[in-house]
Amino acid sequence: SQTIHQWPATLVQPVGSPLSLECTVEGTSNPNLYWYRQAAGRGLQLLFYSVGIGQISSEVPQNLSASRPQDRQFILSSKKLLLSDSGFYLCAWSQESNQPQHFGDGTRLSIL
Amino acid sequence: GNSVTQMEGPVTLSEEAFLTINCTYTATGYPSLFWYVQYPGEGLQLLLKATKADDKGSNKGFEATYRKETTSFHLEKGSVQVSDSAVYFCALKNNNNDMRFGAGTRLTVKP
Repeated sequence: SQTIHQWPATLVQPVGSPLSLECTVEGTSNPNLYWYRQAAGRGLQLLFYSVGIGQISSEVPQNLSASRPQDRQFILSSKKLLLSDSGFYLCAWSQESNQPQHFGDGTRLSIL
Repeated sequence: GNSVTQMEGPVTLSEEAFLTINCTYTATGYPSLFWYVQYPGEGLQLLLKATKADDKGSNKGFEATYRKETTSFHLEKGSVQVSDSAVYFCALKNNNNDMRFGAGTRLTVKP
């Protein structure tokens, strides 16, 4: 069966520090991969999605970037974090067509 | 473009009450429709889905019917429990992998 892993579960970082959140999927090949941000009490905002290795689409201009160095690995990064980057970050995967997305457990990021 | 509009929360119910969370959508073509549930501090879990008109998705006592004529996918449960307290998201996905989520509805069930 397929599984998705996200880490770390929680992270506290100072303003201006770098960021690297990692997401890996097991049990499937060539998945579509997604990064979302969920601000406190709010809905989901799609940040990036990827349909293949090295292919990244950005949905909103921001301080963050994403990379997909391997088929089942998706990384969310920042060179310098801002206070506004605080939130709950969710990674998800799906196969093509009308199949649903499956989510990781999320990373709660607090910027001080 | 594609979009999902769901009932604003929060919704507070007593245990064993009937639940309805409204969801309507706008989409081109024939999207698949989903309900996700998010328990406190966790990621989203797929609750149920429907892939074509008149399909009924069901899971854990929850149901939703894909109504193309009213572009709706309302979530219902006949008797809620305290453990159902969570945030519920309605979502749609088209063939082009474009997935859209509603803003979420927070449900609190009191004993």
